[in-house]
Formats: sequence, structure tokens, C-alpha cells
Amino acid sequence: RKEVEQDPGPFNVPEGATVAFNCTYSNSASQSFFWYRQDCRKEPKLLMSVYSSGNEDGRFTAQLNRASQYISLLIRDSKLSDSATYLCVVSPTGANNLFFGTGTRLTVIP
Amino acid sequence: DVKVTQSSRYLVKRTGEKVFLECVQDMDHENMFWYRQDPGLGLRLIYFSYDVKMKEKGDIPEGYSVSREKKERFSLILESASTNQTSMYLCASSSPRAPSGNTEAFFGQGTRLTVV
Repeated sequence: RKEVEQDPGPFNVPEGATVAFNCTYSNSASQSFFWYRQDCRKEPKLLMSVYSSGNEDGRFTAQLNRASQYISLLIRDSKLSDSATYLCVVSPTGANNLFFGTGTRLTVIP
Repeated sequence: DVKVTQSSRYLVKRTGEKVFLECVQDMDHENMFWYRQDPGLGLRLIYFSYDVKMKEKGDIPEGYSVSREKKERFSLILESASTNQTSMYLCASSSPRAPSGNTEAFFGQGTRLTVV
């Protein structure tokens, strides 16, 4: 079983739409969670960390559900510039490693 | 501004050549990683290192080796390049976070390697 599972999409949504991505992880002892954004032919960059209590940054909301072992990313009022691949990342307890999902491709359509 | 720098953006090598990919970080991070990224397969971990001279195999170490002689530098070596190693290679670094887990990883700009 993969450490991190993520729906690859693609998600094609109109401008202004709300879109949500989920990502499940297998290690219940995982402690650190992140969402990354990767533009075409560029390196991944941190979008936001995911905290136990949930956190928001403008139009972006990240949530953690430990009981069901998933993290989510909600994007409200989608912009054309949100088109990218979104990667979830999990770091298990006691591990120096980071586990990446395969990424979800989002295209926002005018 | 924090930085992870990979030595080349694009490389073209011949089958059988020994290839060195270099990565340097200026954040004093303990952990460094080498990934390859292929369409439909996402980021796959080749090797990582949590300290100088320490290394751990990732998911796909076959055909690769690594070297970490200094904290800031992590090298990936393709002992004898093959066409199936044509890929985007990404280096990253992070710090352990007390009491467990990692801080976020910072990536280099990637090296697109083509083996012909």
C-alpha cells in the first residue's frame, strides 16, 4: 500500500468555482502534512502546511482528519492562475523522509 | 532567500556514461533528498541522507548511488546511464522537526536528463 494516495484528476473547473482535493495517508503516526503546488516544468513549491486545527490562507483552506487519515485542500473562487498540479506531502513520526502523493492536476477554465 | 541549487537545468548523456548530478543547499538542513519525476508516476524517492556520510535507499535506488561528504552538498550518481533513466531529477532539503516529522522541503529547480 502506498504511503500517500491522491486522485490524479484532472480537475477542470470554471473560474470562480470551488474545488476540493483529498489525499489519504497510511501511517497513522504521521505528524507533518503539507500541500505543494507545481507549475508545468517547474519545481514543487510549498503552498501551505496543514495543522491539526485546520488553517486558511486567503482562498485556500487546508484540513486534517486524523480519524480517517486524510488531508484536504479547498480552493474557493478559482482563478486562472490556480491552474497547476497540487501535491500532498506527509512525514511520518520518527522518519526523516517525506512522502509525496502523485499530484492532482487542476485546470481553471475561463 | 533560501536556496537549493542544482548544477544543471538540462543534460544530455550517452548510454553507459557515468553521470553526476550535484545539489547544494544554503539552509544548513540535515536532510537532503533526490527524487525523479515522470509523467503519471509523480515524485519517486531515489535516495535520501539525514546527515553527512549517511544515506538511505528510497523507493527506486537501482542504478543510482549518492554521496554526501559535506552537509550542504548531496550528489546523485548514475553509474552507467541507461535510456530508462531519462527523467526530471529533483533535489530537496529539509530539517527534522522536534519532536518528529520534518519541516517543509525546499526544492532545486530540477535537472532534465536525457540519455541517448
